[in-house]
Amino acid sequence: GQQVMQIPQYQHVQEGEDFTTYCNSSTTLSNIQWYKQRPGGHPVFLIQLVKSGEVKKQKRLTFQFGEAKKNSSLHITATQTTDVGTYFCAGNQAGTALIFGKGTTLSVSS
Amino acid sequence: EPEVTQTPSHQVTQMGQEVILRCVPISNHLYFYWYRQILGQKVEFLVSFYNNEISEKSEIFDDQFSVERPDGSNFTLKIRSTKLEDSAMYFCASSEGTGPLSGANVLTFGAGSRLTVL
Repeated sequence: GQQVMQIPQYQHVQEGEDFTTYCNSSTTLSNIQWYKQRPGGHPVFLIQLVKSGEVKKQKRLTFQFGEAKKNSSLHITATQTTDVGTYFCAGNQAGTALIFGKGTTLSVSS
Repeated sequence: EPEVTQTPSHQVTQMGQEVILRCVPISNHLYFYWYRQILGQKVEFLVSFYNNEISEKSEIFDDQFSVERPDGSNFTLKIRSTKLEDSAMYFCASSEGTGPLSGANVLTFGAGSRLTVL
């Protein structure tokens, strides 16, 4: 079945450093979504990418969808302590359930 | 902002007991889902539900699990005979639809129900 892999599993940075998490799918995706889960919380939607090669920005966050629609990345510029949490990518093929990656847990020290 | 609400927030049960977890999806959403997350691990898909029937289920969703929409607002997950390995956070989610271009397939999650099986 479809698998979504994400690396790294954990990342610790100093406040102000950049952070990137990478997501790869075993199959071509119709779209990819990114969610953030704060410690003790639930996944909260961040963004969706649909088009091949698409790049979207939300303030310090930059999301990319690969040309082959099988990989994606999330890059945070100049991390802040409020960025702490687990970032999940999730993808699916048309009409199927959204499958989540294992997530990347980001910790930030000030 | 519309929310998905889940009850109970935490349930402790003995192995072999039946558990029902409840969810109220967002009112204009048509697709409902259950996911689970074992502590510190990935969010795993269990089942999706549309038009009063299961539209997709994972290998995890075996005969011990069932879902129901007993009325116009609630969506329930029943575990018939709980096992130790069922201990997890169970998240309900809903979406407007499944089409990615309109963003209708974006999931809104509830706060979760933590199930502890002793």
